Order: sequence, then C-alpha cells, then structure tokens
Amino acid sequence: QSALTQPASVSGSPGQSITISCTGTSSDIGAYEYVSWYQQHPGKVPKLLIYDVTYRPSGVSHRFSASKSGNTASLTISGLQGEDEADYYCSSYTTLSTVVFGGGTKLTVL
Amino acid sequence: QVQLVESGGGLVKPGGSLRLSCSASGFSFIDYFMSWVRQAPGKGLEWVSYISSSGDSIQYADSVKGRFTISRDNYRNSLFLHMNSLKVEDTALYYCARGLDLRRQPIDSWGQGTLVTVSS
Repeated sequence: QSALTQPASVSGSPGQSITISCTGTSSDIGAYEYVSWYQQHPGKVPKLLIYDVTYRPSGVSHRFSASKSGNTASLTISGLQGEDEADYYCSSYTTLSTVVFGGGTKLTVL
Repeated sequence: QVQLVESGGGLVKPGGSLRLSCSASGFSFIDYFMSWVRQAPGKGLEWVSYISSSGDSIQYADSVKGRFTISRDNYRNSLFLHMNSLKVEDTALYYCARGLDLRRQPIDSWGQGTLVTVSS
C-alpha cells in the first residue's frame, strides 16, 4: 500500500494551465477507472474535484479536467486563478479493495 | 445538508487506546459506505478504513490493521473507530467521511476532524 507519487509542488501564472501527475502501479491506477482528485485549501477539509478518472461532481468548475494513461493519472487546471492555490491529492481504489492517496501537490499561483 | 461531526480525540500515551465517534445527519446514513481518513500535522491525506452500509465489508490500511477497528450503529447514525496500541505516528487529524453515491470511494463529504495526539 505505497502512496501514489505526485510532484511536491507546481506553479503557474494566472490564466495559464498546469498539470499535476499522479503515478501508481498496475495494482491501483492501472487496474481500474477509479481515480479521484481532491483540492484542500489551508485549514479546510478536502473537496472532491474529479472521480472515476474524468467525472466532475456538480458545482466543480469546468476548468478542472483529468485523464489517465496506464499507471499514471493527470489533473489539468486551465485558466489558473488565485483561488486555485491549494494542495491537490490524487486517490485510487486498489486490487486489495483498499484506497490509496498520493502524497499531495502544493500549487502556487504566481 | 450532510453533516458529519467527529468527537473523541485527545492526548494519549504510546500504547494507549482511544475511541473516535462520528455523528451523521442530513442523509440516510444506513445507505452509505463510511470511511476514516487521517492527516498528520503538515502532511498529506492517508486513508485509514472503510465500512459498508451493513457493516459486512470492512477494509483497513496496512498501517493500522490489527490495531484499529471500524464499526457503525445505523440506529444511532454513528460511525466509530476503536484505536488500540497507539503509536506516535498515529498522531493526526482524523476525518469521518462519506462515500459518493453509496460507493466505498470516492469521498464526497467530510467532517471537520478530531485531533489525536500520541505522545509520552
């Protein structure tokens, strides 16, 4: 049950697009279409952004999109805004019927 | 609206025990998978455990297996986490969380968390 691998930090300027990667194995990301992404602002609870690789819950901005290829998932944020500055976590269901999170990525909007 | 309120956190010595509770309201608790997720101070999210709506499907992270027990009381709309043999590395904010659309994952609702500190 090793954590999924995410870059520790990414940054971008307002209006730009950024992509956060999330690398797992054939026992988690590669096994199912069950990758999720969460956003967490400092001192706040996490918020679900993406589930089942590409689906956005109601109310989540269309600026957030995601994909998966093999054992790696990616979250893209387009038209960066200051409010996007937060920590982002990927998560996957695993072949052991457990759940694993990534280590988190801190997004800085320059 | 969905409300999840955790309680039971506190300071405990290594090797000690603690029971966390989560009171749920605003939805049909009996229908949903529920989970515990923790976050050590300044660190990332770590999934701890989930339990099915009826309690017949339960899983744990390797880091807590054999020490923690998840349970629920559907009559009292409550979720519990019994924690034994606590270690310093169990220090974290423990979130009670609900699965999306009656599924075990992803998580669509979170409580505010209860802080567990394990220290001598």
